Amino acid sequence: DIVMTQTPLSSPVTLGQPASISCRSSQSLVHSDGNTYLSWLQQRPGQPPRLLIYKISNRFSGVPDRFSGSGAGTDFTLKISRVEAEDVGVYYCMQGTQLPHTFGQGTKVEIK
Amino acid sequence: QVQLVESGGGVVQPGRSLRLSCAASGFTFSNYGMHWVRQAPGKGLEWVAFMSYDGSHKYYAHSVKGRFTISRDNSKNTLYLQMNSLRAEDTAVYYCAKEQDGPDYWGQGTLVTVSS
Repeated sequence: DIVMTQTPLSSPVTLGQPASISCRSSQSLVHSDGNTYLSWLQQRPGQPPRLLIYKISNRFSGVPDRFSGSGAGTDFTLKISRVEAEDVGVYYCMQGTQLPHTFGQGTKVEIK
Repeated sequence: QVQLVESGGGVVQPGRSLRLSCAASGFTFSNYGMHWVRQAPGKGLEWVAFMSYDGSHKYYAHSVKGRFTISRDNSKNTLYLQMNSLRAEDTAVYYCAKEQDGPDYWGQGTLVTVSS
């Protein structure tokens, strides 16, 4: 199974400042169809997960442009350009390239 | 708008069975693969199972293979998860999610508690 490792596990951030989360996979996430099925999800307290980014860098409908994704192969990054209060929650990377699909451990973003 | 509504959760004794349902609306259900994902209390997300749009392919996490069965009824726009031989470690909120290049829409989840 592909292991997804996120760093850091906790990220205290000042409002208006940037935040960055790294996700590393134990194998390349490039699918045989040429796509890389790496997603980022946000889970606010008490809420279900919500898709932010799919296929490394594509923002899902309604996601603010302060969220961006990048990376390739086995190394990926989610960046929040300027953290707002509503961004508090846990962020997960997930690979959909190989079954079983797997999630990172989650990174808790909180306001300092 | 896309809506996914899970139901069927509750408290069940170890070794017993439970069937979860996920009612879908707002999109053409029969065109999309669907996932079940769970989250134990205070823990992270764990992928459980996936079924292709037409039901021809199904996949499971190692932890549930042989005990859980995913199915769907496209005429009823509903996804199911039959859970047998339940264990304490199956206690979690179970979410269904629609798949399109990633799990793009999620339900609110249904809580399953396995306890004697």
